[in-house]
Amino acid sequence: EPEVTQTPSHQVTQMGQEVILRCVPISNHLYFYWYRQILGQKVEFLVSFYNNEISEKSEIFDDQFSVERPDGSNFTLKIRSTKLEDSAMYFCASALAGGGRGELFFGEGSRLTVL
Amino acid sequence: AQTVTQSQPEMSVQEAETVTLSCTYDTSESDYYLFWYKQPPSRQMILVIRQEAYKQQNATENRFSVNFQKAAKSFSLKISDSQLGDAAMYFCAYASGGGADGLTFGKGTHLIIQP
Repeated sequence: EPEVTQTPSHQVTQMGQEVILRCVPISNHLYFYWYRQILGQKVEFLVSFYNNEISEKSEIFDDQFSVERPDGSNFTLKIRSTKLEDSAMYFCASALAGGGRGELFFGEGSRLTVL
Repeated sequence: AQTVTQSQPEMSVQEAETVTLSCTYDTSESDYYLFWYKQPPSRQMILVIRQEAYKQQNATENRFSVNFQKAAKSFSLKISDSQLGDAAMYFCAYASGGGADGLTFGKGTHLIIQP
């Protein structure tokens, strides 16, 4: 069964360093998302991506964050200069259709720890 | 902005019994979808059940069913014949009908199954 895969599963970094989280969405999906979940808190939407550009982004997704689909298969989230409060689980998701029309398939997440 | 509220941080049920998880939401939109996602420990979120707001009939998926009360903005999940494998975090989520908006999640309910 097709699935969304994420790497790395866990990354530890120093504050101020750049981090890239990678995702391989399901191959025929068209909508791509990043979410994050700070320990003990709710899952929060970061950004959605469609047709090679950002469709929606939340207040969390500030200038420190960027997304890219560099080669038609990978979907990356870059945090330019990490802060302590960026420590969280980051989930990638993909869907065939946008909004609520398509089922979102999630990856297992990348745990980011900022020291 | 839409909000999703899950007022039960944790629920416990005996194996083979029935349990209901509560969810309320707030929106001014007329076209939207509601979801319940299951997140087993250290695993990705998977879709349990989905409800289109325009449908009056409550969605069912095997042992899982919802009680969708549109006027009350309530969307509860009933799990019948609970099994040990049902133990997980359950998230209620909302999505607008169109565009590429992400999901808005509740804080989750941790479901414990007592053998």
